[in-house]
Amino acid sequence: EVQLVESGGGLVQPGRSLRLSCVATGFSFDDYAMHWVRQVPGKGLEWVSGISWDSEIIGYADSVKGRFTISRDNAKKSLFLQMNSLRNEDTALYYCVKGVISLIAWFDPWGQGTLVTVSS
Amino acid sequence: EVVLTQSPATLSLSPGERATLSCRASQSVSGFYLAWYQQKLGQAPRLLIYGASSRAPGIPDRFSGSGSGTDFTLTISRLEPEDFAVYYCQQYDRSVTFGGGTMVEIK
Repeated sequence: EVQLVESGGGLVQPGRSLRLSCVATGFSFDDYAMHWVRQVPGKGLEWVSGISWDSEIIGYADSVKGRFTISRDNAKKSLFLQMNSLRNEDTALYYCVKGVISLIAWFDPWGQGTLVTVSS
Repeated sequence: EVVLTQSPATLSLSPGERATLSCRASQSVSGFYLAWYQQKLGQAPRLLIYGASSRAPGIPDRFSGSGSGTDFTLTISRLEPEDFAVYYCQQYDRSVTFGGGTMVEIK
């Protein structure tokens, strides 16, 4: 069974940093692109960032470009999101999601999410 | 950016009825690069449909997707109690964007 387990969320002040992690099990992690998608509680979904299986191709939403950095460690089957210069509007539940071989495609499955709250 | 507009925002139906959900794109989505997800309260989204009309593994055949270009539809042929949820469309032709969602609620 494919499982994605996120961690690293919490309460952080505006301007500070946070690093999210996601550990994957149940599939060949280094064969697939991986992504972060966020959701403000009670609101819609927003793609944040994606990374190809070999880390060669990376994409970011305009709203986080220059502040967030996605990375992966295939040996540890882990995905990361380094979030710097956090803003109130970054408050959301952050999902780790498995893609397909191509960087941009559908997402399946999704982790349960880790909540990031940016507030002073 | 491709903007996806879902309608209606809320659909009130009874179990056993047919649900028709619309997703309209601001620009043509080539290659049928459109997916649908179901999200129940307190849960992560679940993939239903990819490639506009291909059901994901384990998804019942009462769920079907259709459409091309700028107009896509998710149809639930006969609503089961567990189908009442929020549904999102997603395009992956030009980057990734999601629609605002349609809530299917019990009438």
